[in-house]
Amino acid sequence: EVQLVESGGGLVQPGGSLRLSCSASGFPFSDYDFNWVRQAPGKGLEWVSNISSSGSALSYADSVRGRFTISRDNAAKSLFLQMDSLRADDTAVYYCTRDNQLLGYYYMDVWGTGTTVIVSS
Amino acid sequence: DIQMTQSPSSLSASVGDRVTISCRASQNIGSYLNWYQQKPGKAPNLVIYATSSLESGVPSRFSGDGSGTDFTLTITSLQPEDFATYSCQQSYSAPLTFGQGTKVEVK
Repeated sequence: EVQLVESGGGLVQPGGSLRLSCSASGFPFSDYDFNWVRQAPGKGLEWVSNISSSGSALSYADSVRGRFTISRDNAAKSLFLQMDSLRADDTAVYYCTRDNQLLGYYYMDVWGTGTTVIVSS
Repeated sequence: DIQMTQSPSSLSASVGDRVTISCRASQNIGSYLNWYQQKPGKAPNLVIYATSSLESGVPSRFSGDGSGTDFTLTITSLQPEDFATYSCQQSYSAPLTFGQGTKVEVK
């Protein structure tokens, strides 16, 4: 079964750090790019970061650039998001998603169940 | 950044109704438009990609159309399991952006 499972969320104080993990199974992990997407309570979806299949290309939303770092371990079939200098507006459910593509059209075809990050004192 | 605007923000419908949701991009995105369905407390699921391609396993009552800046998601004969929030997303350029969502509620 194709599956993504996030972990690492929790309650953290403003200015603190968390490291999210996403474990993949059921498909060749190293063949795909991945994203982190978040959803604040009662709000819409917000793309956070993307990493290429090899890990050589990274991109970030302006709202997290310089504070968050995406990485991957293809041998361990895992995706990570290191989150530093956390702020209250980073509070959200964080999803890892698989990027798929057909003829150059990219779409997120597999989503994890999400992990909740709460930034509060 | 490309802004994605959906309309309406919510709608009420009955089982068997035909439902159409609109999504407008702030600039031309060709056919780089995807639709996701999300139920409360659950992760989104891909419904339509590349404007009109139906994701595997998604019922054929779902369809997508449009190009450039204006897109639609249509559900013919709404079923009980279709009550959910639907979000569009452009994959034309970074940063990837989503619409604010359209909640389809029971009338």
